[in-house]
Amino acid sequence: AQKITQTQPGMFVQEKEAVTLDCTYDTSDPSYGLFWYKQPSSGEMIFLIYQGSYDQQNATEGRYSLNFQKARKSANLVISASQLGDSAMYFCAMRGMEYGNKLVFGAGTILRVKS
Amino acid sequence: DVKVTQSSRYLVKRTGEKVFLECVQDMDHENMFWYRQDPGLGLRLIYFSYDVKMKEKGDIPEGYSVSREKKERFSLILESASTNQTSMYLCASNDRPFSGNTIYFGEGSWLTVV
Repeated sequence: AQKITQTQPGMFVQEKEAVTLDCTYDTSDPSYGLFWYKQPSSGEMIFLIYQGSYDQQNATEGRYSLNFQKARKSANLVISASQLGDSAMYFCAMRGMEYGNKLVFGAGTILRVKS
Repeated sequence: DVKVTQSSRYLVKRTGEKVFLECVQDMDHENMFWYRQDPGLGLRLIYFSYDVKMKEKGDIPEGYSVSREKKERFSLILESASTNQTSMYLCASNDRPFSGNTIYFGEGSWLTVV
């Protein structure tokens, strides 16, 4: 079965520094997609970045990049130049045929940016 | 601007009450989902619907039912609320086929059962 693991319950980072949030996944599907979402304290889920399993290059969206290591089944989110507004819960998620194309989420990582 | 609207942001209900959580999307999406979010567990799928009047169980359907009479509306029903259903509930929708980032979430409904 598909599974997403986020091993860091919480992370601290100094403002303006980069931070990496870990995500590993497990699936037997050859075709799958990986997502990162941000959830501020207000509760809404904000899409950040997407990586398809066949994409040759790592996805990037502004200050967000996804360090995709397919052989290791990891899809870490890198946030560069952290800002106070980056403090939030971050979820890694995956979809694939093995789970009927529905999103499966990890437990999440709380990120706190210090000034 | 795309929108998934959850009718209630904060609810407090008594044990045994019947609870309705409503979700409406304005994007003509085929698929709609109800997730429950709990600390340390992430989001877990309760039910989803891929068409009007069609539904399938997710990972944790026990104690819940759903209704989709119209394409734009997906309701989550707690037939007899219990304290262990105190949680944050998120509705989402997406097109078929599902690809890229085309899944949209509502703002969440915080339910407390006392």
